[in-house]
Amino acid sequence: GAGVSQSPRYKVAKRGQDVALRCDPISGHVSLFWYQQALGQGPEFLTYFQNEAQLDKSGLPSDRFFAERPEGSVSTLKIQRTQQEDSAVYLCASSPGTAAKNIQYFGAGTRLSVL
Amino acid sequence: DAKTTQPPSMDCAEGRAANLPCNHSTISGNEYVYWYRQIHSQGPQYIIHGLKNNETNEMASLIITEDRKSSTLILPHATLRDTAVYYCIVPFSGNTPLVFGKGTRLSVIA
Repeated sequence: GAGVSQSPRYKVAKRGQDVALRCDPISGHVSLFWYQQALGQGPEFLTYFQNEAQLDKSGLPSDRFFAERPEGSVSTLKIQRTQQEDSAVYLCASSPGTAAKNIQYFGAGTRLSVL
Repeated sequence: DAKTTQPPSMDCAEGRAANLPCNHSTISGNEYVYWYRQIHSQGPQYIIHGLKNNETNEMASLIITEDRKSSTLILPHATLRDTAVYYCIVPFSGNTPLVFGKGTRLSVIA
């Protein structure tokens, strides 16, 4: 079956521009996570949804970052007024439910370059 | 902060077993150990997880010490396609954000 799909795969933005990154999770997966991965580092948590509810947004680095999942499936991560330090790979992951021992399935990520 | 400690890098000859260690001395009794890997330019991929018994699947084996303070991921016959960064992770509970740390960069050499 289809895995987690992210689009675009690559995005180049000028500093100050707004960007929107899309994540299509595996169908039926309840939980959805966003991570940010800087060059040479491991992924770092940004935010977490259970269905349409955003349960944890403690990892969002500033109020320029906003995520939504209005119908409990597709999610969008929006970055306003992009800065050079926002350059990174943004990874989305989904998992089947809320029980323990859930495995997270990752997309290939969106590589954002802010010039 | 990550609750695990891993060596930054390891080499392994193609066809040999790759043994990747992980220390998790502060692990609690009901916390699982998960292993993921990330091949260059791809998203992380789940490999295996375990609580206290040794586990095996089609990708790897996981050996957890009796005191649960450390574990070893074993790739029995490493291939060039196993070259990746391997992450040992102890989540706070099963369905919470993963804390990746720096992982171990495994290079499989022909």
